[in-house]
Amino acid sequence: SAVISQKPSRDICQRGTSLTIQCQVDSQVTMMFWYRQQPGQSLTLIATANQGSEATYESGFVIDKFPISRPNLTFSTLTVSNMSPEDSSIYLCSVRGTAEAFFGQGTRLTVV
Amino acid sequence: TQLLEQSPQFLSIQEGENLTVYCNSSSVFSSLQWYRQEPGEGPVLLVTVVTGGEVKKLKRLTFQFGDARKDSSLHITAAQPGDTGLYLCAGARAGGTSYGKLTFGQGTILTVHP
Repeated sequence: SAVISQKPSRDICQRGTSLTIQCQVDSQVTMMFWYRQQPGQSLTLIATANQGSEATYESGFVIDKFPISRPNLTFSTLTVSNMSPEDSSIYLCSVRGTAEAFFGQGTRLTVV
Repeated sequence: TQLLEQSPQFLSIQEGENLTVYCNSSSVFSSLQWYRQEPGEGPVLLVTVVTGGEVKKLKRLTFQFGDARKDSSLHITAAQPGDTGLYLCAGARAGGTSYGKLTFGQGTILTVHP
């Protein structure tokens, strides 16, 4: 299993600003995943972050809007840039075990 | 594109009733997981099924993986208010460009009324 600490747990931000979400894992992992989730709905994968290389983004997500850092095997950050109200959502980081996934508690972002 | 069709999207039932949630796909998955998520928390794994036809039981929860590994179901017997939450199925495929990624179903919001 893996324990993931994600922060902040929630934030209210002004439009046009940026927020960086941090994710710390208690073990070394090759890949970390960043998801977005509307309350009560499913998860949408934003990107996969590998240590030592650029993140791989899913269709509809771009690096300029969601830059990701992966400086080592236990840590990653996701920045939501130039925020608009449409970015209001829950953002989750995740790592994979043998088959299952482990998640941070999520960051609830509200853009006003 | 791999899709997991999860149904129903919403379930509102009385305590003591039984329910079944389904996940269906045209794709084959190497494993399928079920997660439960409560507000303010990330999803938490309930079970992983790997073998076609596999049935796993977790107290009042029964999970089944289809013979062809394309579908799965979650059955809850005698639901309790503590079962309330968002249930998500997720499929994993190994290898190729989708390595490591999970495909999630749309989710089922279950509300069990006392």
